[in-house]
Amino acid sequence: GNSVTQMEGPVTLSEEAFLTINCTYTATGYPSLFWYVQYPGEGLQLLLKATKADDKGSNKGFEATYRKETTSFHLEKGSVQVSDSAVYFCALSSYSSGNTPLVFGKGTRLSVIA
Amino acid sequence: GAGVSQSPSNKVTEKGKDVELRCDPISGHTALYWYRQSLGQGLEFLIYFQGNSAPDKSGLPSDRFSAERTGGSVSTLTIQRTQQEDSAVYLCASRYSSANTGELFFGEGSRLTVL
Repeated sequence: GNSVTQMEGPVTLSEEAFLTINCTYTATGYPSLFWYVQYPGEGLQLLLKATKADDKGSNKGFEATYRKETTSFHLEKGSVQVSDSAVYFCALSSYSSGNTPLVFGKGTRLSVIA
Repeated sequence: GAGVSQSPSNKVTEKGKDVELRCDPISGHTALYWYRQSLGQGLEFLIYFQGNSAPDKSGLPSDRFSAERTGGSVSTLTIQRTQQEDSAVYLCASRYSSANTGELFFGEGSRLTVL
């Protein structure tokens, strides 16, 4: 079946540090890949997505590249801010399974300190 | 409304009672999803609606859980004879179409605490 594995947190970084949150997946067919973010007290919102191999999704300084050869979709940001403190979820949706709902990883909590 | 609306935002109930959680999706969104978010467990898929029908009920954890959607809009998740392990945040999401690249829009969730 489809699954997503992401690095466990919590991750604590100083402001302006480089961020990487690892995400790998197992899926049938050709999945679309997503990163969602949940800020404190808010609902999940889409951060970025990629729908085919070698696509790069980017938003708010975050980037992730769809790597089919390594089945990965690692999230990166060059310089984090305190406002980036949130829980980040990697997710996939597999077209070959029809209207399959998004399958999520367990989430990685990021805390950025000034 | 502008976003996905869920109610109640918080519900505290006693073990054995029934609860109903409501989701009002974004207008025009045909696909609606329920997830459960438990501490340390990530997001667990419960059930999915396309229009008023539920093609995928595979995630419902037991027969105490049921859901319906009427008029292709509002959905209700019902948990009968609640147990302490049902305590979690129940999230609803909707999207315009069932295409796999479509963004899911989430509500802020209903936090259920079973005493």
